[in-house]
Amino acid sequence: GNSVTQMEGPVTLSEEAFLTINCTYTATGYPSLFWYVQYPGEGLQLLLKATKADDKGSNKGFEATYRKETTSFHLEKGSVQVSDSAVYFCALSQAAGNKLTFGGGTRVLVKP
Amino acid sequence: GAVVSQHPSRVICKSGTSVKIECRSLDFQATTMFWYRQFPKQSLMLMATSNEGSKATYEQGVEKDKFLINHASLTLSTLTVTSAHPEDSSFYICSARARTGEDHEKLFFGSGTQLSVL
Repeated sequence: GNSVTQMEGPVTLSEEAFLTINCTYTATGYPSLFWYVQYPGEGLQLLLKATKADDKGSNKGFEATYRKETTSFHLEKGSVQVSDSAVYFCALSQAAGNKLTFGGGTRVLVKP
Repeated sequence: GAVVSQHPSRVICKSGTSVKIECRSLDFQATTMFWYRQFPKQSLMLMATSNEGSKATYEQGVEKDKFLINHASLTLSTLTVTSAHPEDSSFYICSARARTGEDHEKLFFGSGTQLSVL
């Protein structure tokens, strides 16, 4: 079956530091890949996505590249802000409209 | 943007009681709602998929009689944990898919419910 593995948190950073959250997946074929973010007290929100190999998703300064050869979709941001403190979930789906398979989530805390 | 309201955000109950969690799409109609569960330090696991007006489809290993899902309208789905036991303590989160728009960009999540069974 499908699975998503992401690094455990919490990840604690200083403002303006570089952030990387690793995500690898197991799936047949060519799944679509997603990063969701959950800010305190809110629901998950789609942060970015990529639907085919070598695609780069980007949003709000975050980027992730779909790497088929390493089955990875690592999330990066060059300079984090306190407002980026949240829980980040990596996810995949096998087909449009299909159910999502999530990783365990990574809590990120950015200190001023 | 669209909002999914999930209540309660936290509930503590005694073993053997039933707990109902509501998931409402506030400003859009949701043909499909998903219920997930997350144990500490584990992945968010899909429990069931519910479509308005029809029976929910449960994932393998999820007890239908324990986790009752009702999706009676296009804006409301409920999850009832019946005869809750301490092992049901978990974080439950719902998501709703809007009727129109590109699929996953139109999938909206509630803020989750932390259930603690004593």
